[in-house]
Amino acid sequence: NAGVTQTPKFQVLKTGQSMTLQCAQDMNHNSMYWYRQDPGMGLRLIYYSASEGTTDKGEVPNGYNVSRLNKREFSLRLESAAPSQTSVYFCASTLAANYGYTFGSGTRLTVV
Amino acid sequence: DQQVKQNSPSLSVQEGRISILNCDYTNSMFDYFLWYKKYPAEGPTFLISISSIKDKNEDGRFTVFLNKSAKHLSLHIVPSQPGDSAVYFCAASASSGGYQKVTFGTGTKLQVIP
Repeated sequence: NAGVTQTPKFQVLKTGQSMTLQCAQDMNHNSMYWYRQDPGMGLRLIYYSASEGTTDKGEVPNGYNVSRLNKREFSLRLESAAPSQTSVYFCASTLAANYGYTFGSGTRLTVV
Repeated sequence: DQQVKQNSPSLSVQEGRISILNCDYTNSMFDYFLWYKKYPAEGPTFLISISSIKDKNEDGRFTVFLNKSAKHLSLHIVPSQPGDSAVYFCAASASSGGYQKVTFGTGTKLQVIP
């Protein structure tokens, strides 16, 4: 099925460990995004990539890095995980923001 | 600074009745507004949108109303169905440095009671 695929779905990390969240879309969308969702906070933008080869910081980029590997793939890396990064992470893509995003099913990350 | 506010964390409605979800915004530069629906353990899905040059957009049972003077938009669901039970996010976008920046509200959990 066409859409946005995120892996893994669940992950538990110890403080200080690193990991990469993977995201791929097969809709030929130009723009891709990483959001985190926390209780009472809505969806907050971590990083985005308006087009292949470009990445920019969003609202809450500290502690994260991203790579737009090609048009399909946009990964999010936590270099040294902290408990404050416990959250649900969503990847999304779109042709243009006003067309609406297509979201992946999310990665639930717990940092202990 | 919460630029997009959904002041009702939850709403319960009887099946068949109208559900009205509200959203207020503060940034007058927002030029496009969207609603997303989210089921547990799934990503949000795009539901309906409206441009700032319009005051109403309808898609089946879903209608979004925009009142620019009040900086308020609402989503009406008529008639409400149990499958509509979900969290609804309001979102607004504005151009920022050549990029269309989208800001989400905190969500309203709708429960439709059979």
